[in-house]
Amino acid sequence: GAVVSQHPSRVICKSGTSVKIECRSLDFQATTMFWYRQFPKQSLMLMATSNEGSKATYEQGVEKDKFLINHASLTLSTLTVTSAHPEDSSFYICSARGETGEDEKLFFGSGTQLSVL
Amino acid sequence: AQSVTQLGSHVSVSEGALVLLRCNYSSSVPPYLFWYVQYPNQGLQLLLKYTSAATLVKGINGFEAEFKKSETSFHLTKPSAHMSDAAEYFCAVSDAPGGSEKLVFGKGTKLTVNP
Repeated sequence: GAVVSQHPSRVICKSGTSVKIECRSLDFQATTMFWYRQFPKQSLMLMATSNEGSKATYEQGVEKDKFLINHASLTLSTLTVTSAHPEDSSFYICSARGETGEDEKLFFGSGTQLSVL
Repeated sequence: AQSVTQLGSHVSVSEGALVLLRCNYSSSVPPYLFWYVQYPNQGLQLLLKYTSAATLVKGINGFEAEFKKSETSFHLTKPSAHMSDAAEYFCAVSDAPGGSEKLVFGKGTKLTVNP
């Protein structure tokens, strides 16, 4: 079946550094990718929606200059957390919208646990 | 606005027992409802979805869910739990039938299956 690969699965960084998370659709073209964030004991919350070749659309309260999203190809989207701080420590997960057979479906990556020291 | 409430962050059952995971939703438009499962170190997988065709929806791995508009519920059930069902389960609502638009998730329920 369709697979979305997200890398890295876990990252620990120092406060003030930047971290890049990659999300790849391995066997289908993803015109749209979504980035979610989950704090402990909270729901997965949509951060932004990105369409290939255009600027991402950010949800209210999400800083676009802090969470840089690039969707330069139909198989790759990246989320860069710039100048990370401890409050950015969270579980980040991407999903990709693609077509398999007759259905348009959503496929999720396995997530990235970010810890900022 | 849409929202989802999953009652119980942890549910523990014995192998062979009934599994019941609760989900209530709030939506100002006809909702499309989904259950996802996440096994350790894996991405979310779609278990089943309600798209208004039938109120009782059957999914993979023997799971099913019933949409009850009067109760604004979409509880997930499985008659007999298996050890391999241990995972985290997320209920979600969308205003798009494919779930390919913005999904609003619940906080998740971790299911433990005891031998």
